[in-house]
Amino acid sequence: GENVEQHPSTLSVQEGDSAVIKCTYSDSASNYFPWYKQELGKRPQLIIDIRSNVGEKKDQRIAVTLNKTAKHFSLHITETQPEDSAVYFCAAIIPGSARQLTFGSGTQLTVLP
Amino acid sequence: GAVVSQHPSWVICKSGTSVKIECRSLDFQATTMFWYRQFPKQSLMLMATSNEGSKATYEQGVEKDKFLINHASLTLSTLTVTSAHPEDSSFYICSARMPLTDTQYFGPGTRLTVL
Repeated sequence: GENVEQHPSTLSVQEGDSAVIKCTYSDSASNYFPWYKQELGKRPQLIIDIRSNVGEKKDQRIAVTLNKTAKHFSLHITETQPEDSAVYFCAAIIPGSARQLTFGSGTQLTVLP
Repeated sequence: GAVVSQHPSWVICKSGTSVKIECRSLDFQATTMFWYRQFPKQSLMLMATSNEGSKATYEQGVEKDKFLINHASLTLSTLTVTSAHPEDSSFYICSARMPLTDTQYFGPGTRLTVL
């Protein structure tokens, strides 16, 4: 089955700096990669996603890059703000009819004011 | 984004009782919903895939007789934790997949505490 590894597990940055979170996946047939932000005790919220036919996608301060050959994808947050502090999860689709997601282990991002 | 609700948001029950959790997609019809379990400071672990009008598909290691799933309509899936025990205490989150996409929208979760 699909296996998703995520690094780092914790990340602290100064406000205004950039943050990068990286994930690798195992199944080359995976073709959909979402990123979720989860604040403590709240639901995961989709912040950006990318399909395998695209190498990069950007939405204001958030961008995702995908390297299909290396089977890794990354989340980039620029000009970080304290409200960006949360746990971020990457995920990859499990190829098949149900299209389930396999999640990475999560990254606790702390933006220091 | 789309809205998924979950009820109750928290529940405390005695060991041996059963608890039902509801997951509703409020503004779209979801033929497929998913149930996850999340322990503190851990990732989301898929428990089962709920398909409208058919039996749920359970992940390896998840007891189907203990975690009963019913997806009776295109907007409602329920998870019943039967004969709950303290080790079942966890955060249970559902998601609904937007039709014709891979996008999953999550409910707010249910905190279950079994005494």
